Amino acid sequence: QSALAQPPSASGTPGQRVTISCSGSTSNIGTHPVSWYFQPPGTAPKLLIYNNNQRPSGVPDRISGSKSGTSASLGISGLRSEDEGDYYCAAWDNGPNAWMFGGGTKLTVL
Amino acid sequence: QVQLVESGGGVVQPGGSLRLSCATSGFNFTNYAFHWVRQAPGKGLQWVTFIRHDGTDKYYADSVKGRFTISKDNSKNTIYLQMSSLRVEDTALYYCAKGDSDWGQGTLVTVSS
Repeated sequence: QSALAQPPSASGTPGQRVTISCSGSTSNIGTHPVSWYFQPPGTAPKLLIYNNNQRPSGVPDRISGSKSGTSASLGISGLRSEDEGDYYCAAWDNGPNAWMFGGGTKLTVL
Repeated sequence: QVQLVESGGGVVQPGGSLRLSCATSGFNFTNYAFHWVRQAPGKGLQWVTFIRHDGTDKYYADSVKGRFTISKDNSKNTIYLQMSSLRVEDTALYYCAKGDSDWGQGTLVTVSS
């Protein structure tokens, strides 16, 4: 099963806004809600966004998610050094009946 | 609060078997579906298997189909992953996840001769 498509890397300076894209197809993002996860080095993934644009309690409002058609994006504004790590999108896929993940985007705060 | 604690990882030879457990607490276990997701060293997240809240539906990644089995024990609030015919490429940190929200810290499986 192929992964959702994410850029392998992204970067920004403190205070900037960055956007990470996630591209899929009609059988996954086009049909099902998208989740986004943050994984700092050496730790387990943590949910940032569910149901395309909903933030769990504790996730600041400088984190946002959106979806259009078969693509989704994660926005992070007011970049901080602690935002460095790997970001993954995920969505269920009707085709193989599998939970698909993007390949991950490594965010660097310069 | 919600907790998921994986255990059972270790070093096993190719062709061997291992059973992972995911003990949960802090929520109504019978209301939720679960996934196992793995991460090979230095690689991204790879979904392994899913079980519906009532255990009626189970799905597997092609790479583990026929070798891995997911199950749940409502009396123990625990999810299991029975792994057999293990391959070197199954080496990874294995996470259990409650729906798409909460994840455990993972248990490491190393398949090596």
